Amino acid sequence: NAGVTQTPKFRVLKTGQSMTLLCAQDMNHEYMYWYRQDPGMGLRLIHYSVGEGTTAKGEVPDGYNVSRLKKQNFLLGLESAAPSQTSVYFCASSISGVHEQYFGPGTRLTVT
Amino acid sequence: AQSVTQLGSHVSVSEGALVLLRCNYSSSVPPYLFWYVQYPNQGLQLLLKYTSAATLVKGINGFEAEFKKSETSFHLTKPSAHMSDAAEYFCAVSDHGQGAQKLVFGQGTRLTINP
Repeated sequence: NAGVTQTPKFRVLKTGQSMTLLCAQDMNHEYMYWYRQDPGMGLRLIHYSVGEGTTAKGEVPDGYNVSRLKKQNFLLGLESAAPSQTSVYFCASSISGVHEQYFGPGTRLTVT
Repeated sequence: AQSVTQLGSHVSVSEGALVLLRCNYSSSVPPYLFWYVQYPNQGLQLLLKYTSAATLVKGINGFEAEFKKSETSFHLTKPSAHMSDAAEYFCAVSDHGQGAQKLVFGQGTRLTINP
């Protein structure tokens, strides 16, 4: 049981490039979340999903897109990366909206 | 809108001393409150949570927190600090609404333990 895994662990992009971050969970959780963590700001919710085929915007969705084609995977896309998107990205999942969220180890993204 | 304020971005205590990390929240509805811990280069791990049952909540690793509605506070304490407690701690709030648990985090408090 691997829990929540994230791919890749590190990535450096140039401004304007695109990429996709993959989150996978093997706990059969319905809910999945993407957060970004910036120094002095805690974590902020980007997008979330309450089930396969559903997505919704969080607090800071601009510049990101997501997809939940399979229950176990939640993809975060950056179509045209900007330096302001340099951050550590965390994925989380939970059984329901009232249960604990389990976090992945994070992806450190640098945009130059 | 909900918000969380953690007083003190850095807290330093001696090994064996009391740990007190402060968290105040703002919420227009009865909140769920959480404390998470983040060790270096790792994801977040839940320490404890308040979901409107007992106001004194016990968590893992000897931590506990008390929900005080009148003070809108949810401070985290541990009677005796251990070197392994060195980490960053985040307080978070969410509402009781249907659907996703949209956590709003504080800015974090980095705890240093001095030998």
